[in-house]
Amino acid sequence: DQQVKQNSPSLSVQEGRISILNCDYTNSMFDYFLWYKKYPAEGPTFLISISSIKDKNEDGRFTVFLNKSAKHLSLHIVPSQPGDSAVYFCAASATGTASKLTFGTGTRLQVTL
Amino acid sequence: DAGITQSPRHKVTETGTPVTLRCHQTENHRYMYWYRQDPGHGLRLIHYSYGVKDTDKGEVSDGYSVSRSKTEDFLLTLESATSSQTSVYFCAISVRQGDYGYTFGSGTRLTVV
Repeated sequence: DQQVKQNSPSLSVQEGRISILNCDYTNSMFDYFLWYKKYPAEGPTFLISISSIKDKNEDGRFTVFLNKSAKHLSLHIVPSQPGDSAVYFCAASATGTASKLTFGTGTRLQVTL
Repeated sequence: DAGITQSPRHKVTETGTPVTLRCHQTENHRYMYWYRQDPGHGLRLIHYSYGVKDTDKGEVSDGYSVSRSKTEDFLLTLESATSSQTSVYFCAISVRQGDYGYTFGSGTRLTVV
């Protein structure tokens, strides 16, 4: 049972344009959401997060939006750069669960010139 | 930056043999996690630890055991390796409860033949 879903395995975007990566979740106990970025042969690195008490969090070119009623979150990257090409994982956690994360299956983003 | 190293980086082993993967951290972080990454599944939690000798199961713990006799070391053991355990294994550390910005190791690519 996949509690965190990323339905788009891949996405291609031109440099300078907006990249939008989507994530859906089913567990209503999740109250903290994160995005991780992963390059080949490296471990994932934390990118940005959002608490369920907010609907938006911004950090430079990266913005995460949370729609609790739809159980949906998205990551916007503006403007997209070639160095953003990587696999992006959405993750979620519930309070009181020893900071355990449940990850989605990942979306491979390719930013083209 | 938290130091976290995984060893070995690559390993090929035969079906039925025991295998131990090591995760070593230099920062005395309390929480440590073992995840596996597989195509179509993202990252899935195998086991985690919330202190020396304190461990618990994740969602895919069958066939795996862990030990944490020192704060800095978290070992993952495949008691009798199977081909379904061919995967990339990642260790992660977290500073405290509620800190979801994990630091991941670089991973161990394990092939069971």
